[in-house]
Amino acid sequence: DVKVTQSSRYLVKRTGEKVFLECVQDMDHENMFWYRQDPGLGLRLIYFSYDVKMKEKGDIPEGYSVSREKKERFSLILESASTNQTSMYLCASSWSDRSTDTQYFGPGTRLTVL
Amino acid sequence: RKEVEQDPGPFNVPEGATVAFNCTYSNSASQSFFWYRQDCRKEPKLLMSVYSSGNEDGRFTAQLNRASQYISLLIRDSKLSDSATYLCVVGGGSSASKIIFGSGTRLSIRP
Repeated sequence: DVKVTQSSRYLVKRTGEKVFLECVQDMDHENMFWYRQDPGLGLRLIYFSYDVKMKEKGDIPEGYSVSREKKERFSLILESASTNQTSMYLCASSWSDRSTDTQYFGPGTRLTVL
Repeated sequence: RKEVEQDPGPFNVPEGATVAFNCTYSNSASQSFFWYRQDCRKEPKLLMSVYSSGNEDGRFTAQLNRASQYISLLIRDSKLSDSATYLCVVGGGSSASKIIFGSGTRLSIRP
């Protein structure tokens, strides 16, 4: 059974703080994703990684960066958190980079920026 | 126009009823189609892929209409446990980074 874990379920940070969200998958998947989910907007892709140290911008990368130093771990970094980054952040992984592959999601991190 | 559009609902139906949702997509070159289910305060999970010929999994039937650019999900004999948000997901190209999630349709089954 695929397991994707995220470092925190709930996080409260102040404007301007640096925020790290960590995601780990245990299925040796090549691809990992970071999304944010907001009411009425669905899931929007922030960044995507198809291999260690490889990354690709998604639809809304501004204000975010990512790191993938090991295959199983994909980190999302908010260099200077802002209130409009208050959201649910979901990490996902998939076996390959084909759009036909199932994505497996972590439980999500609800981030509040005050 | 949104790339993937769903009626947000909520659909509130009695147990045992049949309910259907549609989802429209704007990119005619889309190649892959899915329904994901998301329970309240939980992560999305794949419910079923949608194939050109349509597919059925127990009480759930998914259909694809390429000409009109929509996919549908039919739930028969609905159960209380079917209450969730159903996300329509469309792959715009061959890459996983081109997958677009709809904002979801909320379904509530009442006893």
